[in-house]
Amino acid sequence: GENVEQHPSTLSVQEGDSAVIKCTYSDSASNYFPWYKQELGKGPQLIIDIRSNVGEKKDQRIAVTLNKTAKHFSLHITETQPEDSAVYFCAASKGNNLFFGTGTRLTVIP
Amino acid sequence: DSGVTQTPKHLITATGQRVTLRCSPRSGDLSVYWYQQSLDQGLQFLIQYYNGEERAKGNILERFSAQQFPDLHSELNLSSLELGDSALYFCASSVNTDTRYSGYTFGSGTRLTVV
Repeated sequence: GENVEQHPSTLSVQEGDSAVIKCTYSDSASNYFPWYKQELGKGPQLIIDIRSNVGEKKDQRIAVTLNKTAKHFSLHITETQPEDSAVYFCAASKGNNLFFGTGTRLTVIP
Repeated sequence: DSGVTQTPKHLITATGQRVTLRCSPRSGDLSVYWYQQSLDQGLQFLIQYYNGEERAKGNILERFSAQQFPDLHSELNLSSLELGDSALYFCASSVNTDTRYSGYTFGSGTRLTVV
């Protein structure tokens, strides 16, 4: 099956700075890569996703990049705000199930 | 509110016992997925049902079982519970079996504590 690795496991940034979370995957057939945000006491929530026919996708302060050759994808959050503090999960799929990374705990320091 | 309802929110039980976790998918969703999230661990896929039938199995222990009923709600049964089964159990739903086009919607989870 698919193996997704995610780094770093924890990340602290000053408010207003950028945050980058990186993931690698093992199955070259994977073609869908969503990112989820999990706030304390809640279930993961989809924040952005990218499909393999696209190299980059942006939604306001959030962007995701995909390098299919290297089999890695990244989440970029610009102008971070305290409400961005949460655990972020990357995932990969080839159409059936999602395989998740181990999560990154992001703390934005005011 | 994501539209995926999980009950109960919290559950405390003793080792050796059996519990049932319930999930009602978002309206219109036919697929239900169960995940386990242990402390400092990622989301481990357990099992998937689509329209009442089992579609995929992940790292689900033999002591665990699940089913999806005609009204599409699903139940995850955990038996002979051990301390290590303490975790958050999430249910997610999607319209069909292809995650690329419908994505997942997660519930808020059931926190199981085995003492």
